[in-house]
Amino acid sequence: GAVVSQHPSWVICKSGTSVKIECRSLDFQATTMFWYRQFPKQSLMLMATSNEGSKATYEQGVEKDKFLINHASLTLSTLTVTSAHPEDSSFYICSAPIARDTEAFFGQGTRLTVV
Amino acid sequence: QKEVEQNSGPLSVPEGAIASLNCTYSDRVSQSFFWYRQYSGKSPELIMSIYSNGDKEDGRFTAQLNKASQYVSLLIRDSQPSDSATYLCAAYSGYSTLTFGKGTMLLVSP
Repeated sequence: GAVVSQHPSWVICKSGTSVKIECRSLDFQATTMFWYRQFPKQSLMLMATSNEGSKATYEQGVEKDKFLINHASLTLSTLTVTSAHPEDSSFYICSAPIARDTEAFFGQGTRLTVV
Repeated sequence: QKEVEQNSGPLSVPEGAIASLNCTYSDRVSQSFFWYRQYSGKSPELIMSIYSNGDKEDGRFTAQLNKASQYVSLLIRDSQPSDSATYLCAAYSGYSTLTFGKGTMLLVSP
């Protein structure tokens, strides 16, 4: 399958700081990338859909000013968690379909811990 | 809100048996359906995709789609302990948003 690389795989940050997570499609061009959050023993929750060259579409209840998404190129999307707080500690995962409405491949995920 | 529904399980089967996982979806315009496997602490990995009514087989896995009933299933033959994981059903909505069910935990006992 296609390869999506996510970095970092884990990060610990202090409360009030910002953290940037990168998601790269290594062998295909991703016009769309999905960002998910998963709390322990819970399901994947879609946070937002990013589209290259345009503003991201956020799901209801997700603060766009807190979770900044940038999709500046066809191979890179970033999620920045601004002013992180302990309740933002979670597993963040990106995925990208190889074409519209087709198989989506996941990055390795980023485990964020805010202390 | 377009939804994908799955039983949370756990579904327990003995090694060598057939595991049957089920999923229903609410968005009638959905055309693309997927099964992912997720091990604890890891990100999901794609197992099967299915786009047309009927069965699709890949090794020990068979996906079944019935668009009239809005139903997708995954059969795992000759289940192995290494198949123990959470299985996620996913479908695209009419807005090209990939929505996941809550997942079914499968436990295969030796």
